[in-house]
Amino acid sequence: DAKTTQPPSMDCAEGRAANLPCNHSTISGNEYVYWYRQIHSQGPQYIIHGLKNNETNEMASLIITEDRKSSTLILPHATLRDTAVYYCIVSPTGGLYNQGGKLIFGQGTELSVKP
Amino acid sequence: KAGVTQTPRYLIKTRGQQVTLSCSPISGHRSVSWYQQTPGQGLQFLFEYFSETQRNKGNFPGRFSGRQFSNSRSEMNVSTLELGDSALYLCASSWTGVGDEKLFFGSGTQLSVL
Repeated sequence: DAKTTQPPSMDCAEGRAANLPCNHSTISGNEYVYWYRQIHSQGPQYIIHGLKNNETNEMASLIITEDRKSSTLILPHATLRDTAVYYCIVSPTGGLYNQGGKLIFGQGTELSVKP
Repeated sequence: KAGVTQTPRYLIKTRGQQVTLSCSPISGHRSVSWYQQTPGQGLQFLFEYFSETQRNKGNFPGRFSGRQFSNSRSEMNVSTLELGDSALYLCASSWTGVGDEKLFFGSGTQLSVL
């Protein structure tokens, strides 16, 4: 079962920041938080991931709380093309916890960006 | 750099038939994993291959099988198709499939079983 909880849907106005929350209260110390999104009829697309610190890349920012029990994905200036299902996933690192390409997806948040 | 390529894009089969789906990973990627996506169950992990060996397997019946070739290309096979096998089948690749690597997904094969 997925170890994350996300709201099933959210709306956002075009040009505004989209803040997508995720709860992962049972996360372990060696588990990363990943975000992927899936635009209709396409395969999931990697967005960003992090372990403890906040992360930022060209697509988004990831804010992880200090206790690591929740996180927020921020799309700073949402566009219509950001309309998609967003998945928050926790996944162990390799080594003893080798997950071999396996990600456990939950139901995600369906983000609708409106003009 | 070419992305993950899956063929065919669409497939229609009838119950009882078998089907083979193909996946070409990104050049240099040696880990290939497969996922099934249905409206009811969402995205579910099928199995993963690395260096021609199945390294990880999800909770699917033995009718679902796969293999990987020396060039890292992978195929998955579903025998004795059932109506419930209708789904989008996604392939993903990464360098090694471990650590904090990200997965790159193909656009999938939409299988319809009639």
